[in-house]
This record gives sequence, C-alpha cells and structure tokens, in this order.
Amino acid sequence: SAVISQKPSRDICQRGTSLTIQCQVDSQVTMMFWYRQQPGQSLTLIATANQGSEATYESGFVIDKFPISRPNLTFSTLTVSNMSPEDSSIYLCSVPRLDRAVTQYFGPGTRLTVL
Amino acid sequence: DQQVKQNSPSLSVQEGRISILNCDYTNSMFDYFLWYKKYPAEGPTFLISISSIKDKNEDGRFTVFLNKSAKHLSLHIVPSQPGDSAVYFCAASGAGGGADGLTFGKGTHLIIQP
Repeated sequence: SAVISQKPSRDICQRGTSLTIQCQVDSQVTMMFWYRQQPGQSLTLIATANQGSEATYESGFVIDKFPISRPNLTFSTLTVSNMSPEDSSIYLCSVPRLDRAVTQYFGPGTRLTVL
Repeated sequence: DQQVKQNSPSLSVQEGRISILNCDYTNSMFDYFLWYKKYPAEGPTFLISISSIKDKNEDGRFTVFLNKSAKHLSLHIVPSQPGDSAVYFCAASGAGGGADGLTFGKGTHLIIQP
C-alpha cells in the first residue's frame, strides 16, 4: 500500500494570501490527484497531475488559482492563490492503488481556514 | 448538478444490527462504484467496490449491491460494530477506474449506538 503524507495538516490564512500544500508518496506513481472538500460538501476533483506534463484541471478550476507542480514521481504541490473565505476547505491528494486499479489511496488532508 | 447523491446525511444504527447506506447516481457512463470510510482528520480509506457488470460484491461484513436500472447502490454492514462509526462516501469512476478522477457523494455519517 502507498503511504501519503501532506503538509501542512492545517493552516489559518488571511484573505489575499497564498498557501502551498505538499503531498509526498512513499512510492513512485505516474498520476496524482488533488481534491477539495468544502464544508458539508462532497470531495471534488481539482486536477490530475502527471509527472513531466502540465496538470489537467476540471471544470471550474483554473491554473492561475490552483497552480500545481509535479517535479518527480513521489511529490506534488498545490498552491491556493489569492485566497478568499470560500477557499476554506480540506484539500486532499490521492494516487491510484496499483494492486487494485479501481481505487485510490488518499492522504490525510490539509484543513485550510481563510479569514 | 450532482452526479452521485447520498440523500441521508446521517444514520443511526444499533450495534449488532444491519447498517444500510444508500447512493444514487445519474451518469450511465460510470463503470465502477466505490465506498470509502472517513474518520475525522484522516483521509478516506477504501472499503469495497463493484463493477457495473456485477450486481453484488461481498467482503467480510461489507456487501455492496448495484441496481443499474434504478441507478442505485447500497452498502450493507452486518453486523454493525462501534468502530464502524464514521462518514461513508459513495464514489464512481469511468472505465479508467483508479486512474480516473473519482466523483463523490456528500457522505453519510453513520453512528453505531451501543
């Protein structure tokens, strides 16, 4: 099984600032996903990050707001830019589970509060 | 427009009884359906999945039933245990399975009463 860590685990930020969230996996994976869970809502896919190529963003999410880096096969960052209170969410990264291709492993999440 | 819906925000069940969590979907193109369990301050953990070509899948105390004509699936937990108290998410994916992004419902908070 893959072990995924995220930093920070939580943060409180002022509006207008940016926060970069790190996701580290203990094995090499081609694909990584970033999700957001707003309060009382479902997990929503933000983007898919493949190493060596630009991230692919879902409808409603743009690179200027959520730039993603994928410098190698075990690491990715998601930046939440120019934050507003509406960005207060749990942000999670995930990777496909190689032994059972139908599912994904998730990190513990980063709980972001924007004041 | 939500493609995966869990209409019960919470469910309370007595220990030892059956817990039944329900999920409806609208997209006929989904190929896989999954259930995840989530404790506070942790990421979701995978419980069980079912392919769209099947109507039932069992794994220990957990059974998932799929009714394609009704676009409905359910998770049965028998017998329910205190450690089952958590938020349960229904999710769906296309043919790529875990290589696709997952579409989630809003979750059902299951509370197992002693």
